[in-house]
Amino acid sequence: ETGVTQSPTHLIKTRGQQVTLRCSSQSGHNTVSWYQQALGQGPQFIFQYYREEENGRGNFPPRFSGLQFPNYSSELNVNALELDDSALYLCASSSGQGAYMNTEAFFGQGTRLTVV
Amino acid sequence: QKEVEQDPGPLSVPEGAIVSLNCTYSNSAFQYFMWYRQYSRKGPELLMYTYSSGNKEDGRFTAQVDKSSKYISLFIRDSQPSDSATYLCAMSAYPNTDKLIFGTGTRLQVFP
Repeated sequence: ETGVTQSPTHLIKTRGQQVTLRCSSQSGHNTVSWYQQALGQGPQFIFQYYREEENGRGNFPPRFSGLQFPNYSSELNVNALELDDSALYLCASSSGQGAYMNTEAFFGQGTRLTVV
Repeated sequence: QKEVEQDPGPLSVPEGAIVSLNCTYSNSAFQYFMWYRQYSRKGPELLMYTYSSGNKEDGRFTAQVDKSSKYISLFIRDSQPSDSATYLCAMSAYPNTDKLIFGTGTRLQVFP
């Protein structure tokens, strides 16, 4: 088990609602990346936070937003939920920019979001 | 065309078999290559990491990267039922080396 924890583990929301997902990074890690994994697909990079600043974003609309706190934990917020947002949301924590130049990224167990 | 292509399987093999998992990619800027294992309802777990071309071995696992062919492989020797999982390849490029581009994953089942 990694030291990355995500909450909640499961969530059901109605189309049009807003959702907040949380991630506590591993001790000593200052970078959190968020990924969306649809059923039967590989994870897709949403964005990354490094020392409380957004540091790179994938091909996701602005209704996907995030925050990183001084303790390096992070939130992913999704507004105006759509049915296609149903997926496993994963966060990964790492140390420093360019994780694979320094150390590996550890994934949490994910939050399974169902939009109905 | 996806940047990373991976056969989704499923791949079913008997215990003790040698398993070969593969990915192809189109972006020649990729320099960092990873293999993750994902059990059902769990997050991905890093198995192997390779920088640039070459081979890397760790126990029963061997990762190979052929940048000239844009092709990477993961070999599992003496496969065990506990190896049954989805195997994801992932890649990244400098300077965003921790922005990972994943394949779709190959589901592997090892039967006793």
